[in-house]
Amino acid sequence: ETGVTQSPTHLIKTRGQQVTLRCSSQSGHNTVSWYQQALGQGPQFIFQYYREEENGRGNFPPRFSGLQFPNYSSELNVNALELDDSALYLCASSPLAGGSQETQYFGPGTRLLVL
Amino acid sequence: GENVEQHPSTLSVQEGDSAVIKCTYSDSASNYFPWYKQELGKRPQLIIDIRSNVGEKKDQRIAVTLNKTAKHFSLHITETQPEDSAVYFCAGGGGATNKLIFGTGTLLAVQP
Repeated sequence: ETGVTQSPTHLIKTRGQQVTLRCSSQSGHNTVSWYQQALGQGPQFIFQYYREEENGRGNFPPRFSGLQFPNYSSELNVNALELDDSALYLCASSPLAGGSQETQYFGPGTRLLVL
Repeated sequence: GENVEQHPSTLSVQEGDSAVIKCTYSDSASNYFPWYKQELGKRPQLIIDIRSNVGEKKDQRIAVTLNKTAKHFSLHITETQPEDSAVYFCAGGGGATNKLIFGTGTLLAVQP
């Protein structure tokens, strides 16, 4: 198992609500990436945080936002929840070294259900 | 745009046989190609990865090959075992953001 943790494990919300998901990166890793995995599909890149700043964003609307803290942990916030936001949300941490590709280690995910 | 295609979507083999999963990518800047195994209800786990300066990499029963000219890479599992049954994802990455573009997954079933 990796040292990446996420909370909560499961969450049920209704349309229009807001949600905050949390991720603690593996020791020594300064980069956190967030992915959305719909049922039966591959993970889709949402955004990445490096040294507390957004470092790349996928094709997700602005109601998906994030933060990274000085200890490299991260939050994903989703406003105005829609039914299609129901998915497994994965975070992955990696040591970003000079822009080169580094291995990403995934957390267990948060399963979000929007009713 | 960036895209990774993966085939087949499902693969059933007999225990002891080999399994091959193939992926193609569109972004010429991609230089990192990991493979993840995801069991039902669990996190994706890295099983092997390859970088663009290498054509082949092997780790026990698992091997990956990369053809940068053709923009495709493949996962080879030999002597399959029932515990190899899972969904396998290929991914491509490159550039400063370290983001990964994933394929759609292959459900591998190893029949005892």
